[in-house]
Amino acid sequence: DAMVIQNPRYQVTQFGKPVTLSCSQTLNHNVMYWYQQKSSQAPKLLFHYYDKDFNNEADTPDNFQSRRPNTSFCFLDIRSPGLGDAAMYLCATSRDGEGYEQYFGPGTRLTVT
Amino acid sequence: AQKVTQAQTEISVVEKEDVTLDCVYETRDTTYYLFWYKQPPSGELVFLIRRNSFDEQNEISGRYSWNFQKSTSSFNFTITASQVVDSAVYFCALRGVQPLIIQGAQKLVFGQGTRLTINP
Repeated sequence: DAMVIQNPRYQVTQFGKPVTLSCSQTLNHNVMYWYQQKSSQAPKLLFHYYDKDFNNEADTPDNFQSRRPNTSFCFLDIRSPGLGDAAMYLCATSRDGEGYEQYFGPGTRLTVT
Repeated sequence: AQKVTQAQTEISVVEKEDVTLDCVYETRDTTYYLFWYKQPPSGELVFLIRRNSFDEQNEISGRYSWNFQKSTSSFNFTITASQVVDSAVYFCALRGVQPLIIQGAQKLVFGQGTRLTINP
C-alpha cells in the first residue's frame, strides 16, 4: 500500500548527541513536511520541501536541519538535542497545488536523556 | 492572520451517544480549505475530510458528518452512535490560498485539538 513510513518509531538519544530521523514515501508526492508535536499540543511545522526547495519556518531553531536526497526520502537531523526537543516528530506529504490534504506517517517519538 | 479554535479541550461520552466537535476559524483569504484529522493513541494523524470555501454542502460518511457554515466561520464534526474506537484527539485545520501560488505557501494551521473519549 502507498504510504508514509518513518523510522525508527522510537528513538532515545543523549543530551547533545546528534540524531537523524528518516521518512520515506511511496505516494510520489513532491511536497514533504516535518512537524514537531509535544504532548497535548497541535503539530508545529518545522520546515518543508517543495521538490528540492527547502522552506524553513521562521521560528525553527538552527539545531534542526533537513535533507531530501530524492523524491522518496527526507531526513530530519537534530544536531545537538536538548531536553526540550523530546517530542513526537511527524513526517507528512502532499501533492503540489492548492487544497491537497497532507498524509502523515506514524511518527517517531524522540526521548532525550 | 489565520487561526483555528477548538474550544472543547476534552469530551467524554458513553458509547452510542452522538457527539459534536466544534471548530471555528479565522481567515482573510477568499479561497481556503478546511480539514479534519484524527490522531488515535498510536500517534499517526489520519486524514478524514477536506472542504473548500466554495462548497458549503454538508457531508456524511457513515457515522461521520460535517457541517460547514461560512456565515459563522464554523466547520463542525459530528459522530453518530459513537464507538470506543472513535476515542482519539481530533484536529481541525485550515489552509489559505495566496493570490499567486507562492512556492512553499502550503502551511496548515491547526486548532489545539479535542480529546474525545468514548466510554463503554
